[in-house]
Amino acid sequence: AQSVTQPDIHITVSEGASLELRCNYSYGATPYLFWYVQSPGQGLQLLLKYFSGDTLVQGIKGFEAEFKRSQSSFNLRKPSVHWSDAAEYFCAVDTGGFKTIFGAGTRLFVKA
Amino acid sequence: DGGITQSPKYLFRKEGQNVTLSCEQNLNHDAMYWYRQDPGQGLRLIYYSQIVNDFQKGDIAEGYSVSREKKESFPLTVTSAQKNPTAFYLCASARQGRGNEQFFGPGTRLTVL
Repeated sequence: AQSVTQPDIHITVSEGASLELRCNYSYGATPYLFWYVQSPGQGLQLLLKYFSGDTLVQGIKGFEAEFKRSQSSFNLRKPSVHWSDAAEYFCAVDTGGFKTIFGAGTRLFVKA
Repeated sequence: DGGITQSPKYLFRKEGQNVTLSCEQNLNHDAMYWYRQDPGQGLRLIYYSQIVNDFQKGDIAEGYSVSREKKESFPLTVTSAQKNPTAFYLCASARQGRGNEQFFGPGTRLTVL
């Protein structure tokens, strides 16, 4: 069955430090993968998406993600975190049947 | 500006009452979705619609109903049959076809007293 796992429920990083949020997926075919961000009480906004080609994908707000087929992973990274990055982050996979499966989310806390 | 709107932002209802959540989009998207969000559980699909006058149940459709009479609108009714309706509800829309991103509304927080 298709699934998305985000192993970390929450992560705390210092402002200016690097960030990596983990995502593992289970899907038989070539996956269409997404990362979304959600500020408290708001809807989700797309950060980036991967369909094919280069395994390193650039997104908005300085985020990037790397697709690793051998590890079934699509980890999100940012070299230097800003306080405004504090939010919840969701990894998602498009299953092809008009359905997208979302992970449970990772909440990012940024400390000064 | 194109976008997707949900109203109201906050909604309070007494137990046993039906309530309808509004979702409107002007992005000309064919597909629309309703999700329920609970802490620690991510987004769970309630219903989705690919075209007008057609919709399918998602993973947690029991106690909910929808309609899709217009392309722009996809209202969700939370019925009294829904055992635990207090949650944050998100509506989304997308272009047809695989791999298209979903655009989300700001959400409605429903509290049943």
